[in-house]
Amino acid sequence: GAGVSQSPSNKVTEKGKDVELRCDPISGHTALYWYRQSLGQGLEFLIYFQGNSAPDKSGLPSDRFSAERTGGSVSTLTIQRTQQEDSAVYLCASSPSSREDGYTFGSGTRLTVV
Amino acid sequence: QKEVEQNSGPLSVPEGAIASLNCTYSDRGSQSFFWYRQYSGKSPELIMSIYSNGDKEDGRFTAQLNKASQYVSLLIRDSQPSDSATYLCAVNGGTALIFGKGTTLSVSS
Repeated sequence: GAGVSQSPSNKVTEKGKDVELRCDPISGHTALYWYRQSLGQGLEFLIYFQGNSAPDKSGLPSDRFSAERTGGSVSTLTIQRTQQEDSAVYLCASSPSSREDGYTFGSGTRLTVV
Repeated sequence: QKEVEQNSGPLSVPEGAIASLNCTYSDRGSQSFFWYRQYSGKSPELIMSIYSNGDKEDGRFTAQLNKASQYVSLLIRDSQPSDSATYLCAVNGGTALIFGKGTTLSVSS
């Protein structure tokens, strides 16, 4: 597609429920990243996918968080047993193969846990 | 831990002035550097990248890099009210970009 597409744009969920966030990167971009941005905070790296290689999960804050990328394209970030501190904007970004490239971000998913 | 530091601001400048935004980073091995602009309620947008010491100009924007001092800056000439936003400095941290918390710029007309 023309840009990075994320869905849903907004998600309100009850504490303890599981949520899935979706990201569709720019066609041809092999690198895909998930970040989250809490109110007044910087972007926190979560996970990185490059092609068919094993993902770098070093930024995931707990084992309640997981992500997968199917067919080297669409990615899903899953948060199990959501907590109020999970409330944030979850941003997906993609880039061409090189790590030296800047990223293009999607419009994000605003997650609110009540 | 690799860090990117920015003054949170706000930085206030009058329309037509030069805005100067600064960033320092901790990893001396970093090789690529980026500036993103983020409007309130929107996602970050890449505006500049720089890889070598010195200046890189693109329209009203100039990025400056000094690897010896571990310092990156962004100059915005002829600032416009539409430049009012938060500017994020990002540094390649090996796996992914490490972002500063951003500097809020306010340009008054």
